Amino acid sequence: QKEVEQDPGPLSVPEGAIVSLNCTYSNSAFQYFMWYRQYSRKGPELLMYTYSSGNKEDGRFTAQVDKSSKYISLFIRDSQPSDSATYLCAMSANRGSTLGRLYFGRGTQLTVWP
Amino acid sequence: NAGVTQTPKFQVLKTGQSMTLQCAQDMNHEYMSWYRQDPGMGLRLIHYSVGAGITDQGEVPNGYNVSRSTTEDFPLRLLSAAPSQTSVYFCASSLDRVEAGELFFGEGSRLTVL
Repeated sequence: QKEVEQDPGPLSVPEGAIVSLNCTYSNSAFQYFMWYRQYSRKGPELLMYTYSSGNKEDGRFTAQVDKSSKYISLFIRDSQPSDSATYLCAMSANRGSTLGRLYFGRGTQLTVWP
Repeated sequence: NAGVTQTPKFQVLKTGQSMTLQCAQDMNHEYMSWYRQDPGMGLRLIHYSVGAGITDQGEVPNGYNVSRSTTEDFPLRLLSAAPSQTSVYFCASSLDRVEAGELFFGEGSRLTVL
């Protein structure tokens, strides 16, 4: 079983839709949760960062972490064609054998059409 | 601002050849790492370094070698290329503790092994 599971999609939505992207994980030691956005033929870039449980909002983006369910989500409101990209979840721990490593999901490919 | 620079961007090798992928960062980051990205597999950690002179293996280290003689540079060596090493390789760096910080990625090096 992979440490982090993410549905690769593809996901195709019309402009203005609310998008929900999700990841599940198995390692209860994970404390830091991130979402990276990767445009075609580019390197990933950090979009959202959350420590432990709870919600974090940044403009049209909201990240949620539910540690009891080992489940994280990224919501995109009022989606735009410029949001078309692959979204990768990532997570890490601050102790144990996983120290110093980020674990990535496979990425979900999102297309927002006008 | 250069950030993380990878060279070459594209490379074709024959089975058994060796080569080095170069990575340099100008942000004075302590942490550097190499990932490979394959369709359906996501980003997988090959090797990482928490500072000059210190390296460690990641998830898929076999067939690759690294060294970290300076803070700025972290080259990845393919010892004897195999078709299974056809992939997109990303170098990434972080200011200090990657689990609590932002990873900055290069634009990738696309390698094909025939």
